[in-house]
Amino acid sequence: QKEVEQDPGPLSVPEGAIVSLNCTYSNSAFQYFMWYRQYSRKGPELLMYTYSSGNKEDGRFTAQVDKSSKYISLFIRDSQPSDSATYLCAMSAGNTGKLIFGQGTTLQVKP
Amino acid sequence: GAVVSQHPSWVICKSGTSVKIECRSLDFQATTMFWYRQFPKQSLMLMATSNEGSKATYEQGVEKDKFLINHASLTLSTLTVTSAHPEDSSFYICSARNPSAAFFGQGTRLTVV
Repeated sequence: QKEVEQDPGPLSVPEGAIVSLNCTYSNSAFQYFMWYRQYSRKGPELLMYTYSSGNKEDGRFTAQVDKSSKYISLFIRDSQPSDSATYLCAMSAGNTGKLIFGQGTTLQVKP
Repeated sequence: GAVVSQHPSWVICKSGTSVKIECRSLDFQATTMFWYRQFPKQSLMLMATSNEGSKATYEQGVEKDKFLINHASLTLSTLTVTSAHPEDSSFYICSARNPSAAFFGQGTRLTVV
């Protein structure tokens, strides 16, 4: 079993839809949680960063962490074609160590 | 957010030659940087952890003599692919971490011909 599980998709939605992306993990020591967006042939771009449990909102993006269920989510409201990319969840136990990544979910937002 | 600059963004080299890739953290100091390799439609595979002023820590299966890492300052780490072969062709990405999140460079696409 992988430490972090993420459905690779692809996920296809119409423009304007709410997108829900999720990851589950097995290591209860994880405390730092991140979501990245990666366009083809580019480095990952940090979207959201959360420490421990709770919700965090930034514009159209909301990140949720449920440590009791070992489950994290990223919601994208009013999705746009420009949101079409691969979304990677990542997490770590400490604030300086290496990240453990999910497989990445490919999202396509159709006009 | 913090900025990590990686150079070059793409490079083509001949088999048997060496290629150096630079990774710089532009607005914060990074005692630790990470080097990844990414194959098409796959997630990032950690190759090594670069530690400022000490030896890098390599992941299992990564040849340390082939992928030389130097972290000479708090803002610069380099990855040198030595005696490159076509199977080394890939997308290489560096990352640096501040006390919160990790930030990535733009990536380097290496093609060995």
